Amino acid sequence: DIQMTQSPASLSASLGETVTIECRASEDIYSNLAWYQQKPGNSPQLLIYDANSLADGVPSRFSGSGSGTQYSLKINSLQSEDVASYFCQQYNNYPYTFGAGTKLELK
Amino acid sequence: QVQLQQSGAELVKPGSSVKISCKASGYTFTSYDMHWIKQQPGNGLEWIGWIYPGNGNTKYNQKFNGKATLTADKSSSTAYMQLSSLTSEDSAVYFCAREDPQGFDYWGQGVMVTVSS
Repeated sequence: DIQMTQSPASLSASLGETVTIECRASEDIYSNLAWYQQKPGNSPQLLIYDANSLADGVPSRFSGSGSGTQYSLKINSLQSEDVASYFCQQYNNYPYTFGAGTKLELK
Repeated sequence: QVQLQQSGAELVKPGSSVKISCKASGYTFTSYDMHWIKQQPGNGLEWIGWIYPGNGNTKYNQKFNGKATLTADKSSSTAYMQLSSLTSEDSAVYFCAREDPQGFDYWGQGVMVTVSS
């Protein structure tokens, strides 16, 4: 199985700040990577697919980048509604696997 | 609009089985893979498998072979997951999610399954 190592596990940032979350795959996943946002008590929501494509309706302050085994999610100008957990997921190989998540809080 | 409506919370006894549902609307049910994902409290997400309702084909995470069985009813646009021989390790929230196919673009609201005597 492909292991997805996500960092940091938790993150505290101020409104308006830029934050970056990293995800490393145990082997090349050829940009077959998605990012999700999950708010407490809710289902995950797709933010980014194919490593850098913005999903429908997602604000442009979210962006994804990376290739091979290294990927990142960047949130520009942090808003209060961005407080949530974030997960990466690879869909290059079965079984699909997720990162352990990053909990983003406001400082 | 696309909606995935899941059945209600379940409290079940160890050793029993449970079948949870996911009713799809707003799109052609038979044209998209339906996936199931497990989330334990405070834990991350674990992929269980998918079913293609168009022909009933399935793919499972080996870890869930013998534990989860995925089916779909085209006439009611509903996907089902049966979990068998339940233990406390199966207590979790279970989501259905449509694959776009690049990522899961729509999710159900989740079903909490609690295994307790």
